[in-house]
Parts: sequence; structure tokens; C-alpha cells
Amino acid sequence: SSELTQDPAVSVALGQTVRITCQGDSLRSYYASWYQQKPGQAPVLVIYGKNNRPSGIPDRFSGSSSGNTASLTITGAQAEDEADYYCNSRDSSGNHQGFGGGTKLTVL
Amino acid sequence: EVQLVQSGAEVKKPGESLKISCKGSGYSFTSYWIGWVRQMPGKGLEWMGIIYPGDSDTRYSPSFQGQVTISADKSISTAYLQWSSLKASDTAMYYCARLGVVWDLGMDVWGQGTTVTVSS
Repeated sequence: SSELTQDPAVSVALGQTVRITCQGDSLRSYYASWYQQKPGQAPVLVIYGKNNRPSGIPDRFSGSSSGNTASLTITGAQAEDEADYYCNSRDSSGNHQGFGGGTKLTVL
Repeated sequence: EVQLVQSGAEVKKPGESLKISCKGSGYSFTSYWIGWVRQMPGKGLEWMGIIYPGDSDTRYSPSFQGQVTISADKSISTAYLQWSSLKASDTAMYYCARLGVVWDLGMDVWGQGTTVTVSS
């Protein structure tokens, strides 16, 4: 089972701000990466490291971390942001990685 | 263009063996880790393991250790995931993805996925 815990589902009104969280002891030592996955598509990296966006990812996506919790924030959610979001980080041993269970984001 | 191209969909019977591939191009294949990720139908992502093609250093998730073998042939920039005896529960989509030397910078390039169906 995953050592990273995410809420299964979150909803946000169009244009509003939403935070998706990921909890795990390993997050006290390691950064999380965040992935967006739309139906029938491969995951896409949206945030990595302290708060870095790969080229092409809109700046409404941001990341943060505090204690054992990493967060992905979408400021001004758009309809196209509706997707599953997964966090990823090392496990407590540091020698492997794992994914959170995923959060299904619905944009209302 | 940096890309990972995976082999095509497979339909197998329980007990059969299988090896799927992931070919990298557009970058130095030996300078990045390649990871394998499973996604069972309707379920989340699962980290299976990673390999560093430069020296074949391989790490397996405890959940997948002994169940699969990860390998790479750096001469043809290709990583592999193989099973010696498939089970119905291996039915899933399998993705390969690139990680930097520092794993914590994320999996920035993904293959298109390979669907594996195991059914009698």
C-alpha cells in the first residue's frame, strides 16, 4: 500500500482556487512531484521540486510543502484542469518511490 | 524531440512470458533513470521500479520485487519490463517514464503506455 495519502475526490467552481494535498512521513525529507492524468492519456508532470513547473505548464499550478504534507494549488481552475492528480515521492527508506492514491478533481 | 516510445499492446494467456520495451530518443539515454509504472483498470498509478541504463543499477518496489524483471540495453537505448509467468492480475496499462539523476525532480517524459491483457 502507498505511504502517500490523498483525498479521493475534490471539486472546485470554475475560476476558483483549489488545493490538493498529499500526506506522508517521507515528505518531511523529500519533495513531492505532481502529475495530471486525463482519461485515456499518460500522466503529465505539472510540479516538481520545491515549486517548479515544466515548460508548458500554466502558472496557475503551484506547489508547496509543510511538515508531512505537500500541496498542489490551482489558482483560477479551468475546465481543462478536470483530471486525476497524483503525488509522487520517495518512500521512508529513500531507496524507492511511490505514488499517492490519486485525487479526482471536478471543475463545476 | 525527447521521447519514449513503448511497444504495442499484448494479449497473453496465464503462465506465458512477456517482455515489453521502451525506447528513448532525443537525449542521452545513459544519463537518466527509466521507471516503470503500472495502472490497473480504473485504478491509480503504482511505482514498480527503476533502472539506470548507464550502469544497470536497478531498484524494485517491494511490491514488485520477484514479480517482474527490469533491464536495459544501452546500445539501442531501450529499457524492458518482463514477466516469466503472467497472471490475470497483471492485466494493466504499463508506462515507462524518465527520471533525472536526482529522482526528486520528477518523471518528466512518459511513454504512451503498453496495454497488457492476460486472459485464458
